[in-house]
Amino acid sequence: SQQGEEDPQALSIQEGENATMNCSYKTSINNLQWYRQNSGRGLVHLILIRSNEREKHSGRLRVTLDTSKKSSSLLITASRAADTASYFCATSDSGTYKYIFGTGTRLKVLA
Amino acid sequence: DAGVTQSPTHLIKTRGQQVTLRCSPISGHKSVSWYQQVLGQGPQFIFQYYEKEERGRGNFPDRFSARQFPNYSSELNVNALLLGDSALYLCASSYSGGALEKLFFGSGTQLSVL
Repeated sequence: SQQGEEDPQALSIQEGENATMNCSYKTSINNLQWYRQNSGRGLVHLILIRSNEREKHSGRLRVTLDTSKKSSSLLITASRAADTASYFCATSDSGTYKYIFGTGTRLKVLA
Repeated sequence: DAGVTQSPTHLIKTRGQQVTLRCSPISGHKSVSWYQQVLGQGPQFIFQYYEKEERGRGNFPDRFSARQFPNYSSELNVNALLLGDSALYLCASSYSGGALEKLFFGSGTQLSVL
C-alpha cells in the first residue's frame, strides 16, 4: 500500500507560474525525497531532505518538511513546459531500507 | 557512464506464464531494488538486494522472486502470471542501499499480461 498521499492529484498551470504540491506520510522517517517521472518511464531524483531539516533548495525547487504534521511540500518556481511530469514523494522508514512512494501529482505546464 | 539498464523494454505474456526481467545497475552500485508501478499509482517496493543478499521484501506473493549476481546485476522472476501483474517494473540502483541514498532508476519494463 502507498504510504504517502500527494495533493493535488493533478495540477495545470501556465508557464512562468509557481507550482506547489504536497505530500503526507504516516510513519517516522529517515528522510523524504522527491522524484519526477516523465511519460510513465523511469523516475529521476530531484531532492532529498533529512528528517532533521525543515527546508531545502535546489535551483528552482524548494522543499519543506514538517515532521510534526508528517507532511512535505515541493515548490517549483517559474515553471516551464519541460516541467510537465508526474511528481512523487518517497519516504524511507526509520530502520528500513525500502522507499515508499506516494500516489503522485500530475503537473501540466501550459506554454 | 551508462545509467541503470533494464531489459526487455516491453513484454507481452499470457496468464499462467513465467517472466524474467533483467537489470544492470550503474557501475559501482552494489544495491538493486525492484518496484512495481501500476498505471496511475506510485511505485510499490518489491525487493532490495545488496551484495547478493536480500535486504528487504515488500508485500508481494511468493510468485515474485529475485536474485543478484556477483556483478551486481539482478533478475526479477514472476511465476504463474495474473492479469493484475500487468504493470511497469522499475529497477533502481544505489551505492549501498543506505537510508540516505538517492535511487537511480532504469526506464522500466512494461509487462502486459493477457
